[in-house]
Amino acid sequence: GENVEQHPSTLSVQEGDSAVIKCTYSDSASNYFPWYKQELGKRPQLIIDIRSNVGEKKDQRIAVTLNKTAKHFSLHITETQPEDSAVYFCAAYGDMKTSYDKVIFGPGTSLSVIP
Amino acid sequence: KAGVTQTPRYLIKTRGQQVTLSCSPISGHRSVSWYQQTPGQGLQFLFEYFSETQRNKGNFPGRFSGRQFSNSRSEMNVSTLELGDSALYLCASSFAGPGEKLFFGSGTQLSVL
Repeated sequence: GENVEQHPSTLSVQEGDSAVIKCTYSDSASNYFPWYKQELGKRPQLIIDIRSNVGEKKDQRIAVTLNKTAKHFSLHITETQPEDSAVYFCAAYGDMKTSYDKVIFGPGTSLSVIP
Repeated sequence: KAGVTQTPRYLIKTRGQQVTLSCSPISGHRSVSWYQQTPGQGLQFLFEYFSETQRNKGNFPGRFSGRQFSNSRSEMNVSTLELGDSALYLCASSFAGPGEKLFFGSGTQLSVL
């Protein structure tokens, strides 16, 4: 069945360093890969997404790369700041407009940025 | 523009009872999806509704059901509550669903005693 693995489950970095979170998916029909950030006690919020026709996408300090052949995608955060501390969830599913695919989330990565 | 609103914010129930949770999407959004969040399992997809029709559902027992009204508001019902149903239940809305940004509500924290 569909599955999304996410590693590492916890990550601690020094402020200013980079952080990388990796996700692997099983359903080859998946073509939409968003990343959500959930700060403690708050709702998840989309921070970046990528579609299967693109290999990389950047938004300021955040970037996502996709390797569709290997079925994995990664979140890269550069120059980390304390406010980047949160749980990050990846997801993988299809974006067919004629139906609705199950949204499969990874188990999450708790990122701590140490000042 | 008002965000996604979920009520109630907290619920305490006992085993065997049933519960109804409500979700009001962002104005103009027609897709509402529901998720169960627990510390060990992350975010688990329950089901999604669009124009009052359930388009897909996750791997949850039939005790979990939902519906959507003509104004796109959605309700989720859990019958015969079990201790393991204790979780944060989140709903999210988007304009049409697939491949779009999900806007999450603050969730309903359900505790089953």
